[in-house]
Amino acid sequence: EVQLVESGGGLVKPGGSLRLSCAASGFTFSSYSMNWVRQAPGKGLEWVSSISSSSSYIYYADSVKGRFTISRDNAKNSLYLQMNSLRAEDTAVYYCARSPELPSGTPRYSFDYWGQGTLVTVSS
Amino acid sequence: DIQMTQSPSSLSASVGDRVTITCQASQDISNYLNWYQQKPGKAPKLLIYDASNLETGVPSRFSGSGSGTDFTFTISSLQPEDIATYYCQQYDNLPPRLTFGGGTKVEIK
Repeated sequence: EVQLVESGGGLVKPGGSLRLSCAASGFTFSSYSMNWVRQAPGKGLEWVSSISSSSSYIYYADSVKGRFTISRDNAKNSLYLQMNSLRAEDTAVYYCARSPELPSGTPRYSFDYWGQGTLVTVSS
Repeated sequence: DIQMTQSPSSLSASVGDRVTITCQASQDISNYLNWYQQKPGKAPKLLIYDASNLETGVPSRFSGSGSGTDFTFTISSLQPEDIATYYCQQYDNLPPRLTFGGGTKVEIK
């Protein structure tokens, strides 16, 4: 059974940092692209970042570029999101989500499995 | 960035009704369009990928169609367990910019 379990959320002051983790199991982690998607309270979904299976391709939404860093450790079946210079508008539930890759290695960018999410609250 | 206009933002229908949701892209996205279902307090679930492909295990009453800029998501016979918010999501590849529609909240009349 595919499982994605996020952790690391919490309350942080504006300007602070937080590192989210996503532990994967039930599939060959090193064969899939991984993503972070967030959802502010009562709002819609917002894509944050994507990383390919071998970390060759990394992309960010403009809203987090230069502040957030996505990474993965295929040996540990884990995905990470380092969040720096946090702002109130970063307050959201952060989901990790899996994307299949095409034979060419390009992600398909459809999120077929999601974790349960971890809440990040940025407030003084 | 490509904008996704999803409508309606909410709808109320009876059990057994046919429900249709539309998503319009601000520019041609070919068939790079997915549909998700999100129930309250839960993570989204992929229903349709690449505009018209039913994800494994998803009931056949769900379907999607369209290409280019105009897309449609249909529930052929609404069931009580379909109460949820539905989102479209597009991606363009070079470089990837993924955006979601604003969501459609589906309720039972």
